[in-house]
Amino acid sequence: DTEVTQTPKHLVMGMTNKKSLKCEQHMGHRAMYWYKQKAKKPPELMFVYSYEKLSINESVPSRFSPECPNSSLLNLHLHALQPEDSALYLCASSQAGTSGSYEQYFGPGTRLTVT
Amino acid sequence: AQTVTQSQPEMSVQEAETVTLSCTYDTSESDYYLFWYKQPPSRQMILVIRQEAYKQQNATENRFSVNFQKAAKSFSLKISDSQLGDAAMYFCAYRRRSGTYKYIFGTGTRLKVLA
Repeated sequence: DTEVTQTPKHLVMGMTNKKSLKCEQHMGHRAMYWYKQKAKKPPELMFVYSYEKLSINESVPSRFSPECPNSSLLNLHLHALQPEDSALYLCASSQAGTSGSYEQYFGPGTRLTVT
Repeated sequence: AQTVTQSQPEMSVQEAETVTLSCTYDTSESDYYLFWYKQPPSRQMILVIRQEAYKQQNATENRFSVNFQKAAKSFSLKISDSQLGDAAMYFCAYRRRSGTYKYIFGTGTRLKVLA
């Protein structure tokens, strides 16, 4: 199984709402990633978890709060977002460790619209 | 700092023909990985091909091959016998061999395949 799943596929939320994005993988990967992707742009890294611990936070605003409850699940909690946060949010996973190629496997993304 | 440049925002190719997408990068590292990822419209990003910098032999995966020129810091992707399903955004990515999970992505090349 080489699949990374993400739910929901689409999400529309107001600026005062709280919502969560969910990502799941069953490939035994111990590194998981959140990316933000604007239209026709490359993905921008937001967070990396390695062995369920936050490894990288790319200075993301605190209205985005990641959580890794276990080795298969990754959540992104959203609160008080701004319209400019509207984007495709991608989850990815890979083997952990930083001395190999460890290519990343991407999920289909959640299309987020903030109104 | 490492950078990745894709100088062709858009390319077109006739079905069954061959097309080459270019990618150049800048790094002071000697050991790293290079990747080509494909992102079809509204579909998830998938790995097309991977190259390890210490390997002189160019990677190939079926109709996809790379021309890796380490001294020139060039990593082009050749797609042979182009198919309609090859239409997508193609991203070139770099990752240092050790010490980081981060990919450096290029800005992408949109490939159109003409029937």
